[in-house]
Amino acid sequence: AQSVSQHNHHVILSEAASLELGCNYSYGGTVNLFWYVQYPGQHLQLLLKYFSGDPLVKGIKGFEAEFIKSKFSFNLRKPSVQWSDTAEYFCAVNAGGGATNKLIFGTGTLLAVQP
Amino acid sequence: DAGVIQSPRHEVTEMGQEVTLRCKPISGHDYLFWYRQTMMRGLELLIYFNNNVPIDDSGMPEDRFSAKMPNASFSTLKIQPSEPRDSAVYFCASSPGPQQGGTGELFFGEGSRLTVL
Repeated sequence: AQSVSQHNHHVILSEAASLELGCNYSYGGTVNLFWYVQYPGQHLQLLLKYFSGDPLVKGIKGFEAEFIKSKFSFNLRKPSVQWSDTAEYFCAVNAGGGATNKLIFGTGTLLAVQP
Repeated sequence: DAGVIQSPRHEVTEMGQEVTLRCKPISGHDYLFWYRQTMMRGLELLIYFNNNVPIDDSGMPEDRFSAKMPNASFSTLKIQPSEPRDSAVYFCASSPGPQQGGTGELFFGEGSRLTVL
């Protein structure tokens, strides 16, 4: 069965620190990959997505992620975090390249940014 | 455009009562999903529909849970009887299908926070 692993469950950073959140998935075929963000008390919102082309994708609010097929990874990065980035971040995979629209989510990483 | 609309936003009920959560997907989206979010288990896919037909309900915890989609603009998730361990935030999401140019991105509602006492 497909699965998504997020190894960092809780990350605490100071403002202006760099961020990298790990995401690995298990599926050997074509995948579409997503990062969603959930701000406190809100619903999930799309940060960025990869489905083809340049493996380095840029999203909203200065976030980017790199798809490394050989490592089955899709790590999220941001050069300099802000207090407003405090949220929970979810990696998700759509196995089959969008053919079924079924998304499997990782368990999430809770990011706390200290001012 | 209106997003995915869920109701109620909050529900507090007693164990044994029936709970019905409602969802209106984005107009034109072929797919509708129900997810449950808890601290312990994260985001779990309960069931999803394509063109109003249930495709995969393997995530539904047990027979106390049921979901319906009588038409393209409405779905319900019902728990009967409810138990304290059902307390969670239930999210509905919709997405356009591949034929509509969809790439699997889901659009989430605000969620329904259920507390079973």
